[in-house]
Amino acid sequence: GQQVMQIPQYQHVQEGEDFTTYCNSSTTLSNIQWYKQRPGGHPVFLIQLVKSGEVKKQKRLTFQFGEAKKNSSLHITATQTTDVGTYFCAGGRDGGYNKLIFGAGTRLAVHP
Amino acid sequence: DTEVTQTPKHLVMGMTNKKSLKCEQHMGHRAMYWYKQKAKKPPELMFVYSYEKLSINESVPSRFSPECPNSSLLNLHLHALQPEDSALYLCASSARGDTEAFFGQGTRLTVV
Repeated sequence: GQQVMQIPQYQHVQEGEDFTTYCNSSTTLSNIQWYKQRPGGHPVFLIQLVKSGEVKKQKRLTFQFGEAKKNSSLHITATQTTDVGTYFCAGGRDGGYNKLIFGAGTRLAVHP
Repeated sequence: DTEVTQTPKHLVMGMTNKKSLKCEQHMGHRAMYWYKQKAKKPPELMFVYSYEKLSINESVPSRFSPECPNSSLLNLHLHALQPEDSALYLCASSARGDTEAFFGQGTRLTVV
């Protein structure tokens, strides 16, 4: 079945350093979504990418969708302690149903 | 109102108990979902309702029984659960099958 691999599993950074997490799917995705889950919280939607090669920015966050629509990345510039949490990518499939397949997540720890 | 409300927030139940989890949204979303999340793992899809009809059941054991009484409500009936069913149960909704998902805060379930 469809799988979404995400790396790294865990990342320690010093505040101010950059951070990147990567997702790869075994099949072509109709779209990819990114969520952030704070410790003890619930997933919160960050962004959705639909087009091949799409790049979107939200302040210090940059999201990319690969040309083949099989991979994606989230890059955070100059991390802050408020960026702490687990970042999940979630791949959508065609067919009209949002059967999101979540990657394993990357847990980000930011040290002041 | 962009909230998905879940009750209760915490639930402890015995293996012979019957309980129900409730989820409500007033965003007019026509797709609603149940996810199960174990500690340090991604959310796993259990059920999808589309226009109040069950459209996806990810081979969930029959001790979990979903119900969608109307377009705003989603229930998950629990019966004869096992300790390994202890997890965070998340409800989510989306406007269509391919748009962002809004998650509730979850019910933290402990089966004793």
